[in-house]
Amino acid sequence: EVQLVQSGAEVKKPGESLKISCKGSGYSFTSYWIGWVRQMPGKGLEWMGIIYPGDSDTRYSPSFQGQVTISADKSISTAYLQWSSLKASDTAMYYCARQMSIAAAGTGYYYYGMDVWGQGTTVTVSS
Amino acid sequence: DIQMTQSPSSVSASVGDRVTITCRASQGISSWLAWYQQKPGKAPKLLIYAASSLQSGVPSRFSGSGSGTDFTLTISSLQPEDFATYYCQQANSFPPSFGQGTRLEIK
Repeated sequence: EVQLVQSGAEVKKPGESLKISCKGSGYSFTSYWIGWVRQMPGKGLEWMGIIYPGDSDTRYSPSFQGQVTISADKSISTAYLQWSSLKASDTAMYYCARQMSIAAAGTGYYYYGMDVWGQGTTVTVSS
Repeated sequence: DIQMTQSPSSVSASVGDRVTITCRASQGISSWLAWYQQKPGKAPKLLIYAASSLQSGVPSRFSGSGSGTDFTLTISSLQPEDFATYYCQQANSFPPSFGQGTRLEIK
């Protein structure tokens, strides 16, 4: 079975650091991009960024560039999302998802659908 | 960034009804559009990609159409399990962006 399993819920204080994880199984982890999506309480979905575990090529939405770091360890089929200094506004549910893609002109891709999702990790930042 | 606007923001319907949700892109995106379903407390689920391709395992009562800037998701005969929030997402330009969601409620 193809699945992504995320780490458990986190409660942190403002200014603390955090790294959450997303472990893939049942498919070739190095052959698909993994994306991260934020959902703030009661709000919609926001696409944050993406990583290709095969070579660690990482791309960020401008809205999240510099705010988070996406990484991966292909030896253990795990992707990560981390913060160096959390803010209350980082309180949200975070999902990882396997990203379907096809090469576009130049070095671009069409990321045309997220077909396998993790169960989500709730991050609460409160003093 | 490309802005995706869904309408309506919410809709009430009954089991057996035919429902259509619309998604409009702020600029042309060819057929690079996906639709997702999200139920409360659950991760989103991919329904449609490339505007009209049905994801494996998704019931055939779901269909998608459109190209350019205007797209629709149609549920031909609503089932109780279809009451959820639906999101569109464009994949033509980086970063991929979601619509604000359409909440489908039971009438």
